Amino acid sequence: GEQVEQRPPHLSVREGDSAIIICTYTDSATAYFSWYKQEAGAGLQLLMSVLSNVDRKEEQGLTVLLNKKDKRLSLNLTAAHPGDSAVYFCAVRPLSSGSWQLIFGSGTQLTVMP
Amino acid sequence: GPKVLQIPSHQIIDMGQMVTLNCDPVSNHLYFYWYKQILGQQMEFLVNFYNGKVMEKSKLFKDQFSVERPDGSYFTLKIQPTALEDSAVYFCASSLKVGQNTLYFGAGTRLSVL
Repeated sequence: GEQVEQRPPHLSVREGDSAIIICTYTDSATAYFSWYKQEAGAGLQLLMSVLSNVDRKEEQGLTVLLNKKDKRLSLNLTAAHPGDSAVYFCAVRPLSSGSWQLIFGSGTQLTVMP
Repeated sequence: GPKVLQIPSHQIIDMGQMVTLNCDPVSNHLYFYWYKQILGQQMEFLVNFYNGKVMEKSKLFKDQFSVERPDGSYFTLKIQPTALEDSAVYFCASSLKVGQNTLYFGAGTRLSVL
């Protein structure tokens, strides 16, 4: 079945710097890709999602890149600020399995220092 | 945005006891999910539920687990009897339509089995 690896597990950046989180997946038929943010004590908040026909999507300081050849999904926070400090998860849905379940990465704890 | 509420936020019980985790999904949503996250590990799919039935479940959804949503009230996950390895954070999610990609998650219930 689909395997998702996420790195790094921990990331610290200074305010204003960019932060990049990467997920790799194994199923080439994966059709749906998403990034979630989890702040302390809160539920997962969907940040952005893309389908497999999209290579790049930008919204409000976030950029999602999808490299289907390398089976790599990345999230780039440009000009991070302390409010971005949280745990970030990628989540994908493989089409081939016929399943509607999301497969999650293991999470990245992002700390943005003032 | 739409919110999913989970009650309680933390539950401590003795091994062998029964526990019920409660989820109040987004009001007009029809499709419900439970995910399990053991500390430091990936979030893993347990089950999804629609129209009073389990649609899909993973191998983590043991015979001791059951779900229901009686009369449109809470969507519940019951574990009877509990085992030590059931200690984890359980996340509930809901979506508007069958197969809709956007899931709204609750903040999770931390279950500690002693």
